[in-house]
Amino acid sequence: AQSVTQLGSHVSVSEGALVLLRCNYSSSVPPYLFWYVQYPNQGLQLLLKYTSAATLVKGINGFEAEFKKSETSFHLTKPSAHMSDAAEYFCAVSDYGDDKIIFGKGTRLHILP
Amino acid sequence: GAVVSQHPSRVICKSGTSVKIECRSLDFQATTMFWYRQFPKQSLMLMATSNEGSKATYEQGVEKDKFLINHASLTLSTLTVTSAHPEDSSFYICSARAERNTIYFGEGSWLTVV
Repeated sequence: AQSVTQLGSHVSVSEGALVLLRCNYSSSVPPYLFWYVQYPNQGLQLLLKYTSAATLVKGINGFEAEFKKSETSFHLTKPSAHMSDAAEYFCAVSDYGDDKIIFGKGTRLHILP
Repeated sequence: GAVVSQHPSRVICKSGTSVKIECRSLDFQATTMFWYRQFPKQSLMLMATSNEGSKATYEQGVEKDKFLINHASLTLSTLTVTSAHPEDSSFYICSARAERNTIYFGEGSWLTVV
């Protein structure tokens, strides 16, 4: 069964510092991988999506993620954190041809002034 | 771009009553929609897959008779929480599949059962 594991339910970084949110996946077939962001009291916004076209995926708001098959990882990074990046981030996975998206438990990102 | 709209965004209902949440794809047809629920400070859990013109496929542990899903048209799926109880209070969010297998999420609906 597909699953994703997000390491760290809470991550705190200083404004301007590197953001690194970790995600490892488990899938029996090459997966689609996603990162979504959820701001307080709002729905989900897609940050980026991996569909095997390129291992380094660039998303919105300066975020990017790298698919590493050998490590079964899809970590999310941003070079310089902004206060506005404070939110809940979800890593998610789905199989090719299957639209069911399975979410990780989420990581709350806190930005320190 | 494609938009998925949910209504109502917030609803409060009395325990024992039923409440309906709508999920609409505004500018595309969606043969498949998905319903998730999210408890406070937790992740999103897939409840069911809604297929236009056929019965919904429920995930293990989700009560079919309690969470009624109807996908009557290519742009509308509804989730009805029947005989709601306080433990059903949650954030319910839908998604719809558009062209090229792109998934769009609605903005979610907050249900509070008092």
